[in-house]
Amino acid sequence: KQEVTQIPAALSVPEGENLVLNCSFTDSAIYNLQWFRQDPGKGLTSLLLIQSSQREQTSGRLNASLDKSSGRSTLYIAASQPGDSATYLCAVIFSSGSARQLTFGSGTQLTVLP
Amino acid sequence: SAVISQKPSRDICQRGTSLTIQCQVDSQVTMMFWYRQQPGQSLTLIATANQGSEATYESGFVIDKFPISRPNLTFSTLTVSNMSPEDSSIYLCSAGTLGGADTQYFGPGTRLTVL
Repeated sequence: KQEVTQIPAALSVPEGENLVLNCSFTDSAIYNLQWFRQDPGKGLTSLLLIQSSQREQTSGRLNASLDKSSGRSTLYIAASQPGDSATYLCAVIFSSGSARQLTFGSGTQLTVLP
Repeated sequence: SAVISQKPSRDICQRGTSLTIQCQVDSQVTMMFWYRQQPGQSLTLIATANQGSEATYESGFVIDKFPISRPNLTFSTLTVSNMSPEDSSIYLCSAGTLGGADTQYFGPGTRLTVL
């Protein structure tokens, strides 16, 4: 069964700290991997997408890496701010899927303390 | 990118009734999906909405309970039928286009509470 796992489930850091969120997946044959942000009671905002041929993507203070061989991705957030507090979800499109559906991890709930 | 809207944004319903959720995309897309997010949980795919044909359901979800329509490339509906309190969840629509990066975009979700 293809699964996506995120560790830790929750993380609390002081403002200004750099942090790393982890995502692992059970099948290295992936089409792409996407990181999302979800604020309480809201929908999902796409942060970064890494295609299977790429190793990393950057947007502002965010950097996502992909290591297919080890089945891992990380989301690095630099100089964290209270506004970064949210749940971060990792989702994978596995190559065996024909319709490009996303398989989600359970998320990491991030709290940045002022 | 695609902008997705959903209606209603939230609803409180009585047991045994049905609710239809609408999803509208501002551009033509190849793929549309419906997800469920139960309280405190991550997202689970309900089905892929196929234009002009029956939706493709994931294990554990059936058409009688979650009928889906997709009459064109920009619009889809999900009906939650014969609701019970266990159906209380956020229901999210997503959309994307095959080819290129295949980024998927999500609607704001519909928060459903069944009493």
